[in-house]
Amino acid sequence: DAGVTQTPRHEVAEKGQTIILKCEPVSGHNDLFWYRQTKIQGLELLSYFRSKSLMEDGGAFKDRFKAEMLNSSFSTLKIQPTEPKDSAVYLCASSLGGQDTQYFGPGTRLLVL
Amino acid sequence: GEQVEQRPPHLSVREGDSAVITCTYTDPNSYYFFWYKQEPGASLQLLMKVFSSTEINEGQGFTVLLNKKDKRLSLNLTAAHPGDSAAYFCAVKNTEGADRLTFGKGTQLIIQP
Repeated sequence: DAGVTQTPRHEVAEKGQTIILKCEPVSGHNDLFWYRQTKIQGLELLSYFRSKSLMEDGGAFKDRFKAEMLNSSFSTLKIQPTEPKDSAVYLCASSLGGQDTQYFGPGTRLLVL
Repeated sequence: GEQVEQRPPHLSVREGDSAVITCTYTDPNSYYFFWYKQEPGASLQLLMKVFSSTEINEGQGFTVLLNKKDKRLSLNLTAAHPGDSAAYFCAVKNTEGADRLTFGKGTQLIIQP
């Protein structure tokens, strides 16, 4: 079975641009998570979907970050407009739900100039 | 909400020595615990998951100890080898926020030859 896939693996954006990151969860998983990883803050939850419904939208990230899950096998994270402080690794994870483990994708490394 | 503190942030040990990473958490209702390993440039890989009903779990070359009274979780690597060089993250699941995980900020482990 394929694991969680993320594209692109690397992204370079100018300040003020709109970028869209993509994630495909493990087939059959009901829960999908978007995280931002930086050395200083560690892993921060951006969004959490259960069966395509948004359960948590990450509070402080609401204004410029928008995650969507239009079908059970595909999710996007839009950052608009980008700022240099958004430079980080963005990780997508999925799980069956309940007590199941979260399985992580390879991440997208974003650099905003 | 749940707070997870992970120590130390950096750890360097010689090959063949042991290494201990510790996480403390605040919510006494936490019931599910994870350790993830992240090699350079790669995503998070599950190392071990433990339920609150178990206190000691052994893997290949490591032991996870859970002390519920002190709300402490530790990862003990025995006889470290170069392949253990990575970042390690603990994660805690509790009864708030549905299936949200709260992560420690990670420990960068370096194994010296």
